[in-house]
Amino acid sequence: DAKTTQPNSMESNEEEPVHLPCNHSTISGTDYIHWYRQLPSQGPEYVIHGLTSNVNNRMASLAIAEDRKSSTLILHRATLRDAAVYYCILRDGGLGGGSNYKLTFGKGTLLTVNP
Amino acid sequence: DVKVTQSSRYLVKRTGEKVFLECVQDMDHENMFWYRQDPGLGLRLIYFSYDVKMKEKGDIPEGYSVSREKKERFSLILESASTNQTSMYLCASSSPAGSLNQPQHFGDGTRLSIL
Repeated sequence: DAKTTQPNSMESNEEEPVHLPCNHSTISGTDYIHWYRQLPSQGPEYVIHGLTSNVNNRMASLAIAEDRKSSTLILHRATLRDAAVYYCILRDGGLGGGSNYKLTFGKGTLLTVNP
Repeated sequence: DVKVTQSSRYLVKRTGEKVFLECVQDMDHENMFWYRQDPGLGLRLIYFSYDVKMKEKGDIPEGYSVSREKKERFSLILESASTNQTSMYLCASSSPAGSLNQPQHFGDGTRLSIL
């Protein structure tokens, strides 16, 4: 998977929006942007993914820059349950071999939500 | 929602024992994965399976084997447990092999300690 860069940590207040940035300047044309999060003592949880257009689902929104070199995960109203490590990864959408199956997480962003 | 269930949250075994970790998913997914997660090393793929009785080695298969006799169940076996296999083990599943960008859904993990 191509490299992504995220801040080590961010802090937010409950019920406020949170914008989690991710830089991926070496993204290729077939790379999808995926976000996962991991709450303490739990397995990772899929959040959202996209290719070029902005995406929304019940958990979050994904805003993708026009040049695709960066993206932002948006939590519209943070709750205490959103405190987690958030991982931004790139996955090749082209047909290929076994390496496309695995997920590789970097260090991610530790999000703290204050009551 | 997809449910991936791992048989144990915590497990303590002794060096040399044969250890079985079980994983069951309820979404009829073709693909299933076993990862281990260690501080500073991130997520590492041990084995994955794209169909019943089919398996592929991941990045760190040494000391492990797997079994997939039924579509919903994927077992990880530590043939002779060693202390360096103390780790958090995570099972995941995803839908069809042809859709490489399908999200992976994780269980809550098994924290295994080998004494």
